[in-house]
Amino acid sequence: DTAVSQTPKYLVTQMGNDKSIKCEQNLGHDTMYWYKQDSKKFLKIMFSYNNKELIINETVPNRFSPKSPDKAHLNLHINSLELGDSAVYFCASSRGGAPVYEQYFGPGTRLTVT
Amino acid sequence: AQSVTQLGSHVSVSEGALVLLRCNYSSSVPPYLFWYVQYPNQGLQLLLKYTTGATLVKGINGFEAEFKKSETSFHLTKPSAHMSDAAEYFCAVSDSGSSNTGKLIFGQGTTLQVKP
Repeated sequence: DTAVSQTPKYLVTQMGNDKSIKCEQNLGHDTMYWYKQDSKKFLKIMFSYNNKELIINETVPNRFSPKSPDKAHLNLHINSLELGDSAVYFCASSRGGAPVYEQYFGPGTRLTVT
Repeated sequence: AQSVTQLGSHVSVSEGALVLLRCNYSSSVPPYLFWYVQYPNQGLQLLLKYTTGATLVKGINGFEAEFKKSETSFHLTKPSAHMSDAAEYFCAVSDSGSSNTGKLIFGQGTTLQVKP
């Protein structure tokens, strides 16, 4: 069974569209994250939720809106997509919000904006 | 503010040779340090981590790293490289403060190439 899953794996869309990426974890973890990996493979955290509460919100454009319907799910909605949003987006989860807990990563969603 | 620098964006070794991937960090509080590996088209997997205690940390797949506070380093080593070790390696830091939210700061990554 996949621990952290993301859908879709690939997403190709045009500028100006709105799209969502879904993430689910079956590990029973309390904390979930969204990371963005750019074309140079640089990884940066975007958001983190602990028990459905937003605890990390980096300087991300407000076109990006995370939503956590329950502890096992953290979705990422992106409005008015721009070329610069093209990247690989990774979801991760951990048992708690402290860094001592290992973060488990999903396989990533490659978003291409044309 | 915390930061991580990985020296060498690309490292190439022969199969059976020593692997050494360098990581230096900057942190105003005692750091927690991590090495993650990313195989092609996959997510990241934790190799090892240092939080407190023994400064030599052993991880999966024969990798280990040593926390050296005086050098602000956390270099990753493996005595003998295998072809299957070819991947992208990321060093990351987080702080141990009570207000910590689990935020990881990643280095820019090092691509390890293993030649037969």
